[in-house]
Amino acid sequence: QKEVEQNSGPLSVPEGAIASLNCTYSDRGSQSFFWYRQYSGKSPELIMSIYSNGDKEDGRFTAQLNKASQYVSLLIRDSQPSDSATYLCAVNRDDKIIFGKGTRLHILP
Amino acid sequence: ETGVTQSPTHLIKTRGQQVTLRCSSQSGHNTVSWYQQALGQGPQFIFQYYREEENGRGNFPPRFSGLQFPNYSSELNVNALELDDSALYLCASSLVVAQGASSYEQYFGPGTRLTVT
Repeated sequence: QKEVEQNSGPLSVPEGAIASLNCTYSDRGSQSFFWYRQYSGKSPELIMSIYSNGDKEDGRFTAQLNKASQYVSLLIRDSQPSDSATYLCAVNRDDKIIFGKGTRLHILP
Repeated sequence: ETGVTQSPTHLIKTRGQQVTLRCSSQSGHNTVSWYQQALGQGPQFIFQYYREEENGRGNFPPRFSGLQFPNYSSELNVNALELDDSALYLCASSLVVAQGASSYEQYFGPGTRLTVT
């Protein structure tokens, strides 16, 4: 089992709709969880961090964490064409940040 | 912009050569992590430097080595380059208040694109 798993996509979502991105992780001892956005040819950009069970909202983004199910998700409301990118889920383990392969999101105009 | 800088932006090397990549961390940060990102993959952790010492290493051979300087900048050195070393090399800086503290955020530089021919 991979440490951090994401569906590679592409996930196609109409403009204005909600995009839902999911991630599972294998290490129950993980304490910190992050979502990064990466545009093609660019480096990852931190968009959300979450440390406790439940929801965390920041603008159009909501991160959800369920440690019992070892599941992290990212919701993007009112999706815009500029949200088209690869979204990387990352988990902290023993001072290392372990990344998933990312989910490609495509917002349809 | 994160304030993390990397040089060079692009680099072309021949198999068997050696390369040094450089990273300047964001002001106020004391920790630098290096990642290798192959096309279509997520970043793979190479190692991390905290207080000028290696603090954790991923599944990379010893020909990948690094340094951190007193100003918290860092170098990644790769010896005996192989074709599979062609990738985007990312540096990320963070503020770690205590070793083992898990809750810290990393900010990436723009990366160095290395091509090995």
